[in-house]
Amino acid sequence: QKEVEQDPGPLSVPEGAIVSLNCTYSNSAFQYFMWYRQYSRKGPELLMYTYSSGNKEDGRFTAQVDKSSKYISLFIRDSQPSDSATYLCASASGTYKYIFGTGTRLKVLA
Amino acid sequence: KAGVTQTPRYLIKTRGQQVTLSCSPISGHRSVSWYQQTPGQGLQFLFEYFSETQRNKGNFPGRFSGRQFSNSRSEMNVSTLELGDSALYLCASSRTSGGAGADTQYFGPGTRLTVL
Repeated sequence: QKEVEQDPGPLSVPEGAIVSLNCTYSNSAFQYFMWYRQYSRKGPELLMYTYSSGNKEDGRFTAQVDKSSKYISLFIRDSQPSDSATYLCASASGTYKYIFGTGTRLKVLA
Repeated sequence: KAGVTQTPRYLIKTRGQQVTLSCSPISGHRSVSWYQQTPGQGLQFLFEYFSETQRNKGNFPGRFSGRQFSNSRSEMNVSTLELGDSALYLCASSRTSGGAGADTQYFGPGTRLTVL
C-alpha cells in the first residue's frame, strides 16, 4: 500500500462546477499536507499548504485535512477551463521526505 | 525573481549510457531536491542537497547520484541507463533544509529523459 493514495482520474466537470479532489494517507506521523497543480510540460506549483487538521481557504481553493480519517481534500469553486491540470497531494512528517500521490487529472469543460 | 531552471529540457539516451542533469535554484535558496516522476509511480524523492552536502536520500539504486556546488546549483547523474529510467526528472529548491515544517519547495519545469 502506498503511503499516499490518490485517484488518477481523469475527472471531467463543466465550467462553474465545484470540484472535489481527494487523497488518503496511511502514516499517522504526517503533519504537513500540500496540494500542487501541474500543467502539462511544467513542474508542479504549490497551491495550498496546511499544517495538521482543519480547513484553509485561498480564493476559489479550499484545502481540508481530517487527521482522524487520514483524508485530504481540495475543493475548487467556480471551476474554470484554466484549472485543467493534474493535481498532486503531498504529505510530510517532521523529517524531510515529502510523499506525493500519483496525481488526479482534472478537465474543466467550457 | 527567476524561478528554478533545469537543463536540458529534453534528452534521449540509449541503454547503458550515462546522463547528467542540471538544476539552478531560486536565488537565495540553498536546498535542492531531486524527484523522479513517472505515470505509474508518481513523484518519488531521489535526494536532497543543502550547502553542498547530501542531507536525505530516497530508495533509488546507487546509479543515481548528485552533487551541489558552492553557488547552490546542483547536478544529478544517472549511470548505466535502463529503460525504466525514462521519466520526468524534477528539481525543487527551498531556502532551508529541514523538511516541510521548515520551508516550502518550488519546482522547476523538469528534464524529460527518454531511454531507448
